[in-house]
Amino acid sequence: DTAVSQTPKYLVTQMGNDKSIKCEQNLGHDTMYWYKQDSKKFLKIMFSYNNKELIINETVPNRFSPKSPDKAHLNLHINSLELGDSAVYFCASSYGQPLAKNIQYFGAGTRLSVL
Amino acid sequence: DAKTTQPPSMDCAEGRAANLPCNHSTISGNEYVYWYRQIHSQGPQYIIHGLKNNETNEMASLIITEDRKSSTLILPHATLRDTAVYYCIVITAGGTSYGKLTFGQGTILTVHP
Repeated sequence: DTAVSQTPKYLVTQMGNDKSIKCEQNLGHDTMYWYKQDSKKFLKIMFSYNNKELIINETVPNRFSPKSPDKAHLNLHINSLELGDSAVYFCASSYGQPLAKNIQYFGAGTRLSVL
Repeated sequence: DAKTTQPPSMDCAEGRAANLPCNHSTISGNEYVYWYRQIHSQGPQYIIHGLKNNETNEMASLIITEDRKSSTLILPHATLRDTAVYYCIVITAGGTSYGKLTFGQGTILTVHP
């Protein structure tokens, strides 16, 4: 069983469209994350949810809206896609506390290409 | 979060130990040192972490200096599959940055035959 699974793996779409990426974890973790890796390979956190509550919200355009229906799922919806949104998006999960157990498990990534 | 400094790249011969250094001179008492790696086209993978004592697991060993200002990740017998970008990350125990991984540029480790 895949611990952290993301769908779709590849997403190709036109500018201006709205798209969603789904993430599910079966590890029993209470915290989930979204990271973005751009073309220069820099990996940056976007959001983090703990028990369905938003706890980390980096400087991300409000076209990006995360939604956590339950502890096992964290979806990412992107409105009005722009060329600069092209990147690989990684979902991750962990136990939120204690920090000594904050080992994050990552999904395989969703490769988004905006044309 | 404390900033970390790593060499941009390193080489290692297959079967030999790979020693990856990391400087974190501004680390504070409640911050942990975590190591992750990213193999090409995959998601990052946790390797090991520590607070102040040396740690060992099935993947690697982590040596933290007594003053905690630097650490070394040791892969005892590197294989070709260990070729990856290795990230040393210091994360804080409290506040709004709790658990936030701040990835730097990392060290590109190339293991050659």
